[in-house]
Amino acid sequence: DTEVTQTPKHLVMGMTNKKSLKCEQHMGHRAMYWYKQKAKKPPELMFVYSYEKLSINESVPSRFSPECPNSSLLNLHLHALQPEDSALYLCASSPRGLAGGFNEQFFGPGTRLTVL
Amino acid sequence: AQKVTQAQTEISVVEKEDVTLDCVYETRDTTYYLFWYKQPPSGELVFLIRRNSFDEQNEISGRYSWNFQKSTSSFNFTITASQVVDSAVYFCALVVGYALNFGKGTSLLVTP
Repeated sequence: DTEVTQTPKHLVMGMTNKKSLKCEQHMGHRAMYWYKQKAKKPPELMFVYSYEKLSINESVPSRFSPECPNSSLLNLHLHALQPEDSALYLCASSPRGLAGGFNEQFFGPGTRLTVL
Repeated sequence: AQKVTQAQTEISVVEKEDVTLDCVYETRDTTYYLFWYKQPPSGELVFLIRRNSFDEQNEISGRYSWNFQKSTSSFNFTITASQVVDSAVYFCALVVGYALNFGKGTSLLVTP
C-alpha cells in the first residue's frame, strides 16, 4: 500500500457541530502532517506529528484538535468552526521523523470542508 | 529564510502551444530539494518532479521538461504541446529539512 487515504472526501457541517477528519497510511511512515488550503492559495502547514508525538503546531486555533492514535492514523477533530474555516484539508506523511533531514512528503487527496 | 516565487499568477494558452512556468527560489542552505506539484480542480496534489541541489541535470518526461539553474536560483517547468487536461494550478516548492515551502502557484488554463 503506497498511498495516503483521507475520509471523508467532502464534509458539510454547521458551526455547532463536532466532526472529525481521518487520514491513514500503511507505508510505515513516522511523520504525519495536516495542511489547510484555501481557494487559490498554497497549502499551509497546521500540525506535524513525529513518532506519534505532536512536534509542530503552527499557532492553529484550539477549535482544531489533532490526534495520532497510532503510527498509521491521524485525526483532526473539529468543533465550533467558523465559515472562514471552509477549505481543503490535506494530510501528508513522510518516511522519517522530523530530526532526520530531508523527508519527502506524500499527500492524500484531501477533504473538502464547508462550514455553514 | 526559505522562499519560493512564482511570479505568474495565471496563464492562458491555446491547445498545442508550449508554455513555461517560472519558479525562483531563495535559500541559504546548500542542501535542499525542489518540487513541482500539479493540482487539478479535484484538489489532489499530484507530484511531478523532485530535484536535489546537487543535481542540475535538466529532465524531460514526455511533454514535460524542467530546467534547473542554480546560478539564477530558478527551476522552470515547460509543457510542450499543451493539452486541455494540463489545466490546473501548478505549485513549485522548496524543501529544507521537513519544511515544505510552497510558491503561490500558477493557474494554467488551456483552451481548445
